[in-house]
Amino acid sequence: DAGITQSPRHKVTETGTPVTLRCHQTENHRYMYWYRQDPGHGLRLIHYSYGVKDTDKGEVSDGYSVSRSKTEDFLLTLESATSSQTSVYFCAITPRVRGTEAFFGQGTRLTVV
Amino acid sequence: AQTVTQSQPEMSVQEAETVTLSCTYDTSESDYYLFWYKQPPSRQMILVIRQEAYKQQNATENRFSVNFQKAAKSFSLKISDSQLGDAAMYFCAYRSVRNLRSGNTPLVFGKGTRLSVIA
Repeated sequence: DAGITQSPRHKVTETGTPVTLRCHQTENHRYMYWYRQDPGHGLRLIHYSYGVKDTDKGEVSDGYSVSRSKTEDFLLTLESATSSQTSVYFCAITPRVRGTEAFFGQGTRLTVV
Repeated sequence: AQTVTQSQPEMSVQEAETVTLSCTYDTSESDYYLFWYKQPPSRQMILVIRQEAYKQQNATENRFSVNFQKAAKSFSLKISDSQLGDAAMYFCAYRSVRNLRSGNTPLVFGKGTRLSVIA
């Protein structure tokens, strides 16, 4: 358990509304990631962070923004949710140790109607 | 960029039998790590096994073992004595160590294989 908590766990929202998902970690890891999981696509990287205020885009970043004002919190925002953003979202961390796997939060199931 | 391919969207196995899940990857790097993750219906991502590319010996964890063929860029997972609790989605993943100094080494995932276990 790497002390990662995602909130909310489930959310239903309407098309066009803004949505923010939160990832909170308790172990002071520097590197954090947001993935989305869709059937037939596996997990795809949306954005990542390598420190406070240091973020960058991943493979599927269009329509998403992130912020990291504190080490422990990494926020993912959908500025104007679309039905194509219905997905399961995972936050992950990778400790800066050679060979260590990624640790994941419990996931957030987001449905955009 | 690295890619990971899992060519079997679904597999099934009889309880107590053995099943092998396939994974191939594409990379120009010589040093990296490979992982198998299990995702049960709870959605939790659980590490099953890891393999270091510079180690020739195949990793094993109890009933789980891998067949790592570096030249062929193949990393298959063998589950022996399959149990009902093994039913899950399995993901193969790659992690580069090239940027480890900066820490920016996100995992790259395959699309997954859904394993069913038949009683």
